[in-house]
Amino acid sequence: EAGVAQSPRYKIIEKRQSVAFWCNPISGHATLYWYQQILGQGPKLLIQFQNNGVVDDSQLPKDRFSAERLKGVDSTLKIQPAKLEDSAVYLCASSLAAVLNEQFFGPGTRLTVL
Amino acid sequence: AQSVTQLDSHVSVSEGTPVLLRCNYSSSYSPSLFWYVQHPNKGLQLLLKYTSAATLVKGINGFEAEFKKSETSFHLTKPSAHMSDAAEYFCATDNAGNMLTFGGGTRLMVKP
Repeated sequence: EAGVAQSPRYKIIEKRQSVAFWCNPISGHATLYWYQQILGQGPKLLIQFQNNGVVDDSQLPKDRFSAERLKGVDSTLKIQPAKLEDSAVYLCASSLAAVLNEQFFGPGTRLTVL
Repeated sequence: AQSVTQLDSHVSVSEGTPVLLRCNYSSSYSPSLFWYVQHPNKGLQLLLKYTSAATLVKGINGFEAEFKKSETSFHLTKPSAHMSDAAEYFCATDNAGNMLTFGGGTRLMVKP
């Protein structure tokens, strides 16, 4: 079974630039999550999708971050404009459903903002 | 609100000796609790989870954890450490909507 795919694996940008990350969940998984993991900290949930609808985005900084999952499969997370404090690993995860289902994580995208 | 606290940011053990990684939780109801492992440049992998069944939970790679409600703890243990166990370990809890809240992580170092 293929795992959660993410690209790119690494990205370096300057502050105020824009960046986008892509995630392809495990086939058949209805629920998709984006997490931000700052160096030395645990992952923090940014947004959760159920199919193509948003379940929770309460911790997403909506002035600069946006995410979509238009067809209920792949998802993109965008930052515009980036700040220095956005430097982190962005993890995508998916699960079969939203209740008590194991989340499977992708390898992450490491973003460095200079 | 649910939260977890990992009491040690770094733990160092010798190969073949026991591992203890500590986690305390705070929850207004009976929580689900998880331990994940993260190897360098890899995604998080689920080691084990507690979901109100048996209080002693066995996971992969010889790890186990015991849910102790009286101590609000869910410590991760392994009888004998291997070099391949060196990684970052995260304790987590979730709400009814399956949204995970992670602790700050414990880096496990295994000395030969």
